[in-house]
Amino acid sequence: GENVEQHPSTLSVQEGDSAVIKCTYSDSASNYFPWYKQELGKGPQLIIDIRSNVGEKKDQRIAVTLNKTAKHFSLHITETQPEDSAVYFCAASKGATSGTYKYIFGTGTRLKVLA
Amino acid sequence: GAGVSQSPSNKVTEKGKDVELRCDPISGHTALYWYRQSLGQGLEFLIYFQGNSAPDKSGLPSDRFSAERTGGSVSTLTIQRTQQEDSAVYLCASSNPVGRQPQHFGDGTRLSIL
Repeated sequence: GENVEQHPSTLSVQEGDSAVIKCTYSDSASNYFPWYKQELGKGPQLIIDIRSNVGEKKDQRIAVTLNKTAKHFSLHITETQPEDSAVYFCAASKGATSGTYKYIFGTGTRLKVLA
Repeated sequence: GAGVSQSPSNKVTEKGKDVELRCDPISGHTALYWYRQSLGQGLEFLIYFQGNSAPDKSGLPSDRFSAERTGGSVSTLTIQRTQQEDSAVYLCASSNPVGRQPQHFGDGTRLSIL
């Protein structure tokens, strides 16, 4: 069945360093890949997304890369700050090709940025 | 409000009781989704609405779970004869148009079954 694996489950970095979170998806029909940040007691908030016709997308300190052949996508956060500390989720979706727009989520990465 | 609104924010109930969870999507969003997040876990898809119809309800875990959407807006998720394993955070999301735009999430309902 559809599956998204996410690594690592926890990640600690020093303030100012970079953080990388990796995801692998199983369904080659997936064509949309959002990343969400979830703070304690809150719902997930979209931070960046990428579609399958693009290999890389950047928004200030955040970037996402996609390798369709390997079915990998990764989140890169540069110059990390304490406020980046949260749980990050990747997700994959097949969109209109499947008649549903549901997201399949990874199991999350708890990022801790040490001041 | 501008975002997805869910109520109640917290619900504690006894095993065997029925519960109703409510979601108010962002105005104009035609697509609505329910997900479940168990403690320390990722989000598990439950059901997807397009307007008042549910083209995908494949994630509902049992026939104790049902959902409806009226007027293309508010949705209610109902869990009958609750069990302890139903304890989780239930998250609602909406998107426009038809899902090609990203899903925007509410803050969820934290459900605890005693």
